Amino acid sequence: AQSVAQPEDQVNVAEGNPLTVKCTYSVSGNPYLFWYVQYPNRGLQFLLKYITGDNLVKGSYGFEAEFNKSQTSFHLKKPSALVSDSALYFCAVRDVSGGYQKVTFGIGTKLQVIP
Amino acid sequence: DAGITQSPRYKITETGRQVTLMCHQTWSHSYMFWYRQDLGHGLRLIYYSAAADITDKGEVPDGYVVSRSKTENFPLTLESATRSQTSVYFCASTPTSRYTEAFFGQGTRLTVV
Repeated sequence: AQSVAQPEDQVNVAEGNPLTVKCTYSVSGNPYLFWYVQYPNRGLQFLLKYITGDNLVKGSYGFEAEFNKSQTSFHLKKPSALVSDSALYFCAVRDVSGGYQKVTFGIGTKLQVIP
Repeated sequence: DAGITQSPRYKITETGRQVTLMCHQTWSHSYMFWYRQDLGHGLRLIYYSAAADITDKGEVPDGYVVSRSKTENFPLTLESATRSQTSVYFCASTPTSRYTEAFFGQGTRLTVV
């Protein structure tokens, strides 16, 4: 069975500092990987995805993520955090052979950017 | 308005009552999904639909019923609400099953007392 682990319930970072939100995954075949962001009282918004190709994926709002097949990781990064980045971040995975109904979400990591 | 909308945004109901959560999308996406979001569990799939009149169970379907008579609507019904169904419910859609990302509604916060 596929799974996603987000090992940190919360990540605190000072404004202007780089941020990393960790994600590791397990899937039987090749993965599609996603990051979504949820602002308070809002639905999830798509940030970025890895399908194939370059291991460094760039997404919305200056975020990027690095796919590491050997470590089965897909960590979310941003060079300089903003207070407005404070939100709940979800990593998700599915096997490339499965449909979207086969997506597995992590439990989420709360990012707190401190002014 | 274009997009995917859920109603109501907030609902309080009593144990044993039937309650229906509505989801409407304007993109004519084929696939629609219902998730529940609980602390410590992330998002879990309740039901999904591939097209009008085609629905299937997800990870946690017990206690829920869905229907899809029109492409744009995908209501979720709790036939006899229980306290364990207190949660935030999200509807989502994608153009096809193979499409890579989904589009989410704003959620319905349901409290069963």
